[in-house]
Amino acid sequence: TAGITQAPTSQILAAGRSMTLRCTQDMRHNAMYWYRQDLGLGLRLIHYSNTAGTTGKGEVPDGYSVSRANTDDFPLTLASAVPSQTSVYFCASSDGGTPGETQYFGPGTRLLVL
Amino acid sequence: SQKIEQNSEALNIQEGKTATLTCNYTNYSPAYLQWYRQDPGRGPVFLLLIRENEKEKRKERLKVTFDTTLKQSLFHITASQPADSATYLCALVGTGNQFYFGTGTSLTVIP
Repeated sequence: TAGITQAPTSQILAAGRSMTLRCTQDMRHNAMYWYRQDLGLGLRLIHYSNTAGTTGKGEVPDGYSVSRANTDDFPLTLASAVPSQTSVYFCASSDGGTPGETQYFGPGTRLLVL
Repeated sequence: SQKIEQNSEALNIQEGKTATLTCNYTNYSPAYLQWYRQDPGRGPVFLLLIRENEKEKRKERLKVTFDTTLKQSLFHITASQPADSATYLCALVGTGNQFYFGTGTSLTVIP
């Protein structure tokens, strides 16, 4: 199985433009997550969804929005990109049934905002 | 807020030796602690989970300890191999399934 796919692999974006990072999983996991990873700061949670139709804010949600229309897809939107959003973005999923369960990560999207 | 510290320096060890990575944390009482491996250009991959009431967990050449009094986890790779070279992340997990990741330790195993 593919697990988690993310698109695009990388992107250069002009400041002020909008962009949607796509994330799809084929494991029928209930929970999905978006993280950003920056040097020296580690992985930080942006938004999460415990089940289709629900979303929640993580540690660094400002400037980002998400939706969860179905189980498989969890897109992340930057409405008006700023240079500080330059980062590597990882989508992850977990079964959502057991506390502390494994998270499965996608390959990441490398975003440069100029 | 919680703070997680992993070995601040990159770790270089000789092949065959045991690598020991440290994860210290403050201002938090995790119910679980997980360790992940991350290779360059890839997403993290789960390795081991240890619960707050467990002292030690083993999986093949990997061993994790969890000391809730010291607020520390140690991650050991015995008989290390060049293929073990990667960045290793620890993650604190709360009872509400909140995940907090450390910044990672870069390990290089020298042949």
